[in-house]
Amino acid sequence: EAGVTQFPSHSVIEKGQTVTLRCDPISGHDNLYWYRRVMGKEIKFLLHFVKESKQDESGMPNNRFLAERTGGTYSTLKVQPAELEDSGVYFCASSLYGLAGGADTQYFGPGTRLTVL
Amino acid sequence: EDQVTQSPEALRLQEGESSSLNCSYTVSGLRGLFWYRQDPGKGPEFLFTLYSAGEEKEKERLKATLTKKESFLHITAPKPEDSATYLCAASGGYQKVTFGTGTKLQVIP
Repeated sequence: EAGVTQFPSHSVIEKGQTVTLRCDPISGHDNLYWYRRVMGKEIKFLLHFVKESKQDESGMPNNRFLAERTGGTYSTLKVQPAELEDSGVYFCASSLYGLAGGADTQYFGPGTRLTVL
Repeated sequence: EDQVTQSPEALRLQEGESSSLNCSYTVSGLRGLFWYRQDPGKGPEFLFTLYSAGEEKEKERLKATLTKKESFLHITAPKPEDSATYLCAASGGYQKVTFGTGTKLQVIP
């Protein structure tokens, strides 16, 4: 069974440019999550999709970040315009159940390393 | 606010030298406590989920335990291939997971 995949693995852009990250979850997983790890800090939650709906986007830093999940399959995370502080590793995870009150195991992708110059 | 603290930040062991990693958590209404392993340049790899105090889980040389305030990852007779960063995370709400900063383990042959 294929795991969570992310594309690209690395992206280097200049401040002010736009970047789009893509995540393909494990087949059949309705729940998809985005996380970010900036240098020296812990992995932090950004948002949670259930199918195509945003369940929780409380971790999104500001309105320069836009996440979508068309058709409840893959997801994209767009940063526009990118700022220096957006540099970090962006992880995607997916889980099967995601029931309220549960502790559903999340499986992570390899991450996209974003560098904003 | 939910908080997860891991110690030590780094740990260097001789091959075969057993030890424990600590994860202290302050999470309202703990739903689950997770342990992940992360190798350089890769995403976190799931190891264990613990749901309630007193629960223990084992996998090869690793054993995870849970109390009401802490979780421990015990490593018995580690090998060099166990070298990695071990991440602890807790879920206290609707699937929102809080991570610690990790313990970087190095096992010397």
